[in-house]
Amino acid sequence: ETGVTQTPRHLVMGMTNKKSLKCEQHLGHNAMYWYKQSAKKPLELMFVYNFKEQTENNSVPSRFSPECPNSSHLFLHLHTLQPEDSALYLCASSVRGASETQYFGPGTRLLVL
Amino acid sequence: AQTVTQSQPEMSVQEAETVTLSCTYDTSESDYYLFWYKQPPSRQMILVIRQEAYKQQNATENRFSVNFQKAAKSFSLKISDSQLGDAAMYFCAYRRRLIQGAQKLVFGQGTRLTINP
Repeated sequence: ETGVTQTPRHLVMGMTNKKSLKCEQHLGHNAMYWYKQSAKKPLELMFVYNFKEQTENNSVPSRFSPECPNSSHLFLHLHTLQPEDSALYLCASSVRGASETQYFGPGTRLLVL
Repeated sequence: AQTVTQSQPEMSVQEAETVTLSCTYDTSESDYYLFWYKQPPSRQMILVIRQEAYKQQNATENRFSVNFQKAAKSFSLKISDSQLGDAAMYFCAYRRRLIQGAQKLVFGQGTRLTINP
């Protein structure tokens, strides 16, 4: 499945670094999502974008900053992260509407030292 | 708030046998969707099957089928003729059905399925 791609696949960063995660979907979808998957915890929704407009911020700390320049691209800008932010970050997309199914990218494995 | 519970952290099954993964959910909504996603070691989250709450017929996809009990708020996944490639984490997920807008999924904790050759 290559409909949703994420780069990089792995990232190691220090707490003072600034980095960005990228997600791109080739499915013609209108909605995009960021999820965080930590060990032994359910997937947590972070942000939702619908037609480039942010429609949900699930109480995410400001050190995570999303950007959605168009319906095909979604970024997650990271700065001054903490070790507990180490996790798998998954991007998903869907067609806007009631019957949509979300399709996921392969994720970015992030390690904060 | 909606919640999804998977009470089996781990399950194992012999190859070619049948296994059932359990999922219960809590919601006050009457119209919604339920999903089973599979996450193999590659970490790619893959949709296995989807059920619309307004449909009484249980969804099936080849070797995968669900037992949807709306009154009991139960949504189990049955995998028939288990194959080695079925080994993965399986997540149950819930989503409200609204006419417009992007909708968030609520996930369970996951069940790790091992297939024994």
